[in-house]
Amino acid sequence: EADIYQTPRYLVIGTGKKITLECSQTMGHDKMYWYQQDPGMELHLIHYSYGVNSTEKGDLSSESTVSRIRTEHFPLTLESARPSHTSQYLCASSEGDRDGANVLTFGAGSRLTVL
Amino acid sequence: GQNIDQPTEMTATEGAIVQINCTYQTSGFNGLFWYQQHAGEAPTFLSYNVLDGLEEKGRFSSFLSRSKGYSYLLLKELQMKDSASYLCAVMDSNYQLIWGAGTKLIIKP
Repeated sequence: EADIYQTPRYLVIGTGKKITLECSQTMGHDKMYWYQQDPGMELHLIHYSYGVNSTEKGDLSSESTVSRIRTEHFPLTLESARPSHTSQYLCASSEGDRDGANVLTFGAGSRLTVL
Repeated sequence: GQNIDQPTEMTATEGAIVQINCTYQTSGFNGLFWYQQHAGEAPTFLSYNVLDGLEEKGRFSSFLSRSKGYSYLLLKELQMKDSASYLCAVMDSNYQLIWGAGTKLIIKP
C-alpha cells in the first residue's frame, strides 16, 4: 500500500545530541516537505525538495538540514538539539508539477522533546 | 504580510450542521485547501477550491469567494468522528502554502 512513513514517532533526547528524523514514501512523489507544528499553531515549512538532489529552505528559520539522495527518502537532521526544538515534525509528499496546486499526503509525525 | 484567520474552537451537536470560516490575505492566490487533523494524527486532505462557488463532497462542502478572500467548510449530519481540527491553507503566487492555525471542532452527543 502506498504510504508515507516517519520514524521515530516519539523521541526524548538531551540537549546537544544529534538526531535524524526519517521520512520515506512509497508513492514515487517528486515533491517532499518537512513541517513543524506546535499545538494550536499553524504548520511552518522548514525544508522542501522538488526531487533528487534538490533541497530548499522554507519560511521557518531552522538549524536543521535535509538531504534527498533517493526519491523515496527525505531525512531531517538536527546537529545539536536544543529545548527550543521541542515540537511535532510532519513530513509530507505530493505529486505533480514543480509549480502546481498539489494535494499533500502527510506522515503520522515525529514528536520530539529535548530536555 | 500573509495571513489566514479561522476560529480557534467551535462546538456543535451530533447530527447538526456546522460552518467553519476562513479568511485570508495572501500574495496572490492559486487555490485554497481544507485538511482534517485528528488529535495526534496526520492531516488528511478534504477539499480544494480554486474557482468561486461551492464544491460538495458527501457530507462535506467547501465554498470560496476570491473577491472577499473568504472560504468556509460546511459539515452536515455531524458524527462524533468529525471531532478534529480543520486546517485552512492558501497557495500563494509562488505556489507556497500558507496555513491557518486550525479550528478545533468539538462534537457533543
